[in-house]
Amino acid sequence: QKEVEQDPGPLSVPEGAIVSLNCTYSNSAFQYFMWYRQYSRKGPELLMYTYSSGNKEDGRFTAQVDKSSKYISLFIRDSQPSDSATYLCATPCSNSGYSTLTFGKGTMLLVSP
Amino acid sequence: DVKVTQSSRYLVKRTGEKVFLECVQDMDHENMFWYRQDPGLGLRLIYFSYDVKMKEKGDIPEGYSVSREKKERFSLILESASTNQTSMYLCASSQRGDRYSLYFGPGTRLLVL
Repeated sequence: QKEVEQDPGPLSVPEGAIVSLNCTYSNSAFQYFMWYRQYSRKGPELLMYTYSSGNKEDGRFTAQVDKSSKYISLFIRDSQPSDSATYLCATPCSNSGYSTLTFGKGTMLLVSP
Repeated sequence: DVKVTQSSRYLVKRTGEKVFLECVQDMDHENMFWYRQDPGLGLRLIYFSYDVKMKEKGDIPEGYSVSREKKERFSLILESASTNQTSMYLCASSQRGDRYSLYFGPGTRLLVL
């Protein structure tokens, strides 16, 4: 089982909808979670990060961690066509004695006007 | 603004050629990474470096090597390119105190014929 799993989508919603993007993770020791956004033909960019359980809000975006079910979510309120992108969740994993980010495969979101 | 630049956006090479992918960052970041991104497989870490002249293998180092002679530059080398190395290659950097906030370059799309 991969450390982080994501449904690849695509997820298609109309403009203004509330979007829920989700990841599951395998190791209950993981405590730090991040969301990256990747527009077509661009590199990913950091969108949000959360540490341990709870919510973090930034404008229209809310990141949520449920450690009991090993589930992380990204909610987008009032979605816009400019939100159309691939969203990747990530968490640090041990690698050669160092800690590096492991990414989910990404969920493609399409917001139609 | 942090800027990570990659030497080429698109590259076409022949099987067996030696290929150099160059990455330069201008924000004095200690950490640098090479990922490849493939449909259905997501982002996978090839090599990383947390200091000049330091390198560590990621999840898929086979067929690749790296060089970090200067802090701002991290090179990925395909010693003998093969068709299964056709992919999008993404370089990223981060600072020591915030290692999981990665700044990605725009990517190099490599086609090996």
